[in-house]
Amino acid sequence: DADVTQTPRNRITKTGKRIMLECSQTKGHDRMYWYRQDPGLGLRLIYYSFDVKDINKGEISDGYSVSRQAQAKFSLSLESAIPNQTALYFCATSDGNNQPQHFGDGTRLSIL
Amino acid sequence: DQQVKQNSPSLSVQEGRISILNCDYTNSMFDYFLWYKKYPAEGPTFLISISSIKDKNEDGRFTVFLNKSAKHLSLHIVPSQPGDSAVYFCLLFSGGYNKLIFGAGTRLAVHP
Repeated sequence: DADVTQTPRNRITKTGKRIMLECSQTKGHDRMYWYRQDPGLGLRLIYYSFDVKDINKGEISDGYSVSRQAQAKFSLSLESAIPNQTALYFCATSDGNNQPQHFGDGTRLSIL
Repeated sequence: DQQVKQNSPSLSVQEGRISILNCDYTNSMFDYFLWYKKYPAEGPTFLISISSIKDKNEDGRFTVFLNKSAKHLSLHIVPSQPGDSAVYFCLLFSGGYNKLIFGAGTRLAVHP
């Protein structure tokens, strides 16, 4: 079983719809992250959380919100999806500051 | 303003030879540096890291070099194998500023 699980793996939806991407982990890590990957741009940080009550904006948080419902779960929401949010989204976890992050396999989101 | 650059979008190397992937950055606030490998349809996986107090770290066929004065990070893979064909990302982290940035990635192709 994967340590970091993202659902769904693929989603196609229409402009204006509300979308939620889920991430769950079995690694017991406190820190969780959401990234998006666009061609030629690498991964950019959207939001991150160091604990259940902690939410922090990343580099590109506009248009997104997150919820850390439990240590093991971190969800990303697009309240009103727009086409330029079409991207590959990754969730990651880590055990501390100078520790490697462990990634899920990604969610491919297409907004028409 | 790109704070981290992987100037080679792609690299082709013959099996058995050395692969050298580079990452240049502009801000000296970063103090922890990581390399990730990504296969299609999978999330990035951690390869090797180095902290700013070192200039070299080795793990099997993978060696990471850090030149702080030049703000230059490199990953050497020797000998290269066809299974090393993937996209490689550098990740720069600043503990003091709680900031992390990925490079745009370099696609490595190792051919027989």
